[in-house]
Amino acid sequence: DTGVSQDPRHKITKRGQNVTFRCDPISEHNRLYWYRQTLGQGPEFLTYFQNEAQLEKSRLLSDRFSAERPKGSFSTLEIQRTEQGDSAMYLCASSSLEVTEAFFGQGTRLTVV
Amino acid sequence: GIQVEQSPPDLILQEGANSTLRCNFSDSVNNLQWFHQNPWGQLINLFYIPSGTKQNGRLSATTVATERYSLLYISSSQTTDSGVYFCAVRFSGNTPLVFGKGTRLSVIA
Repeated sequence: DTGVSQDPRHKITKRGQNVTFRCDPISEHNRLYWYRQTLGQGPEFLTYFQNEAQLEKSRLLSDRFSAERPKGSFSTLEIQRTEQGDSAMYLCASSSLEVTEAFFGQGTRLTVV
Repeated sequence: GIQVEQSPPDLILQEGANSTLRCNFSDSVNNLQWFHQNPWGQLINLFYIPSGTKQNGRLSATTVATERYSLLYISSSQTTDSGVYFCAVRFSGNTPLVFGKGTRLSVIA
């Protein structure tokens, strides 16, 4: 297993465009998390899934953001009508139910111009 | 409210020096992790340590859950240790990890 994988690594988009990011967790992990990190801050929780069920969403997740994990494997995070304030590193993590240690992917760095 | 506080915020060391990074948290936890964020932004797992002491090479960590703090020790620091160190905690069974603001470490030759 190669760990948590995120795609793309970098994305530059114009304000108002939609973007979608993908996360492939460690294969046997049931839980998948999305975080956002801005410059000089620690990662902030956005949402998480247990299998295909989205169990919690942060108030940071405005209605322009949507996340899915349709078959309980990979997940996508979509941002509609991007704004400059959406520029950040988007991090995905996964963990198992039995051992809650979380492992992170390399992140997707979004720049909205 | 629920808080994770890390200190110091910034640390500059001469190569070969030792250091201690601290993480205080506001409530009991069932998971505590230390991460090193590399220059490309990836979070590298250092320790999964909700309680007790662990060592891995030049790094060790201690969590005293009853007193709500954890310490990360770096001995004989190297320039490759530079980066941001994060403490993250889980306050109850299914809640997500809550991160501190990190300690930015710079090791100079």
